[in-house]
Amino acid sequence: QKEVEQNSGPLSVPEGAIASLNCTYSDRGSQSFFWYRQYSGKSPELIMSIYSNGDKEDGRFTAQLNKASQYVSLLIRDSQPSDSATYLCAVNGVGETGTASKLTFGTGTRLQVTL
Amino acid sequence: NAGVTQTPKFRILKIGQSMTLQCTQDMNHNYMYWYRQDPGMGLKLIYYSVGAGITDKGEVPNGYNVSRSTTEDFPLRLELAAPSQTSVYFCASSYRGGRDTQYFGPGTRLTVL
Repeated sequence: QKEVEQNSGPLSVPEGAIASLNCTYSDRGSQSFFWYRQYSGKSPELIMSIYSNGDKEDGRFTAQLNKASQYVSLLIRDSQPSDSATYLCAVNGVGETGTASKLTFGTGTRLQVTL
Repeated sequence: NAGVTQTPKFRILKIGQSMTLQCTQDMNHNYMYWYRQDPGMGLKLIYYSVGAGITDKGEVPNGYNVSRSTTEDFPLRLELAAPSQTSVYFCASSYRGGRDTQYFGPGTRLTVL
């Protein structure tokens, strides 16, 4: 059973601070990694994707991937109240027939940005 | 361009009833997925399809059936509804499967009483 682990939170950060969200995964053959944001009562939407070791920046968001340690993280700079949501980590693996077609999602980390 | 649409938005079923959740995408994506999300939990894959006529089981397929006769539509059938199937159901599609962004529909909130 391939697993994706996240701390459920809530992670509370003050407005303007950096929020750091972490995710570990069990399938060492995983190739593609995604962060989705889900507001309460809404469907998930993609924030970032990352495929190679290192950092990938997009505006206030930075995804970090370390395949050797099997973790992926999301940093949110200058956190805003509108960033308050649940952040889902999703991982794709390869190797088994059909596995490359699917994503495994973590249970999500709830982020609260306080005024 | 509507993206992924789902109907109905809400539904209450009695134990033992059946229903079909509809999902349609207009992005010409080959890959389509059905997930369920229980309160405070992540997304569990029920079934997925890599193209018209091809479907496969996900993590939690028991109690559900799917078909994929066209690229656009991927309905999910619940037979003999049980309280354990109370959940929010999301349909999603993508262009390159697990290597690509998945676009989600708005969800169907199902309650089985």
